[in-house]
Amino acid sequence: AQSVTQLDSHVSVSEGTPVLLRCNYSSSYSPSLFWYVQHPNKGLQLLLKYTSAATLVKGINGFEAEFKKSETSFHLTKPSAHMSDAAEYFCVVSESEYGNKLVFGAGTILRVKS
Amino acid sequence: KAGVTQTPRYLIKTRGQQVTLSCSPISGHRSVSWYQQTPGQGLQFLFEYFSETQRNKGNFPGRFSGRQFSNSRSEMNVSTLELGDSALYLCASSFWAGANTEAFFGQGTRLTVV
Repeated sequence: AQSVTQLDSHVSVSEGTPVLLRCNYSSSYSPSLFWYVQHPNKGLQLLLKYTSAATLVKGINGFEAEFKKSETSFHLTKPSAHMSDAAEYFCVVSESEYGNKLVFGAGTILRVKS
Repeated sequence: KAGVTQTPRYLIKTRGQQVTLSCSPISGHRSVSWYQQTPGQGLQFLFEYFSETQRNKGNFPGRFSGRQFSNSRSEMNVSTLELGDSALYLCASSFWAGANTEAFFGQGTRLTVV
């Protein structure tokens, strides 16, 4: 079965500094990986997805993630944090090759200090 | 175009009752998935429907059921509610049912069981 592990439950950064949210995955085949963001009392919004076309994936709002097969990692980064980035972030793997069953990590709450 | 619509947004039910939640996917999307989000268990997959057929099912008791109509709208039903069923229930729609297909989430239905 596929799984993801988010290595930090909370990350705190100052506005304008880089963001790094770490995610390791486990998959028995070439995985489809996603990062979603959830703002308080809101649904989930897709930030970016990896589908084997390119190892460096660019997403919305300046976020990007790099797929490293040798390290089984898919870390999310942003060069400069903004106050509006404060939210919970989920690393997600698609478990079924033939359907839309998503397996979510436990989430990382990002706090941005002014 | 309109996003995924879930109704109602909030619901309070008494233990032992049953509840039906509704999800209208994005126009043209044929896959609908349901997830349960709780502070303790995080986001967990309930089931997925594609063209009125259940394709995947998560590890939930039989009290949780769902269906999809010919217009792709979906409902999920929980019978004999328990206190532990209190959660945010999220619906996601996708254009098709493939592993790398991005899922678009609704804002969820917040169910409180008292």
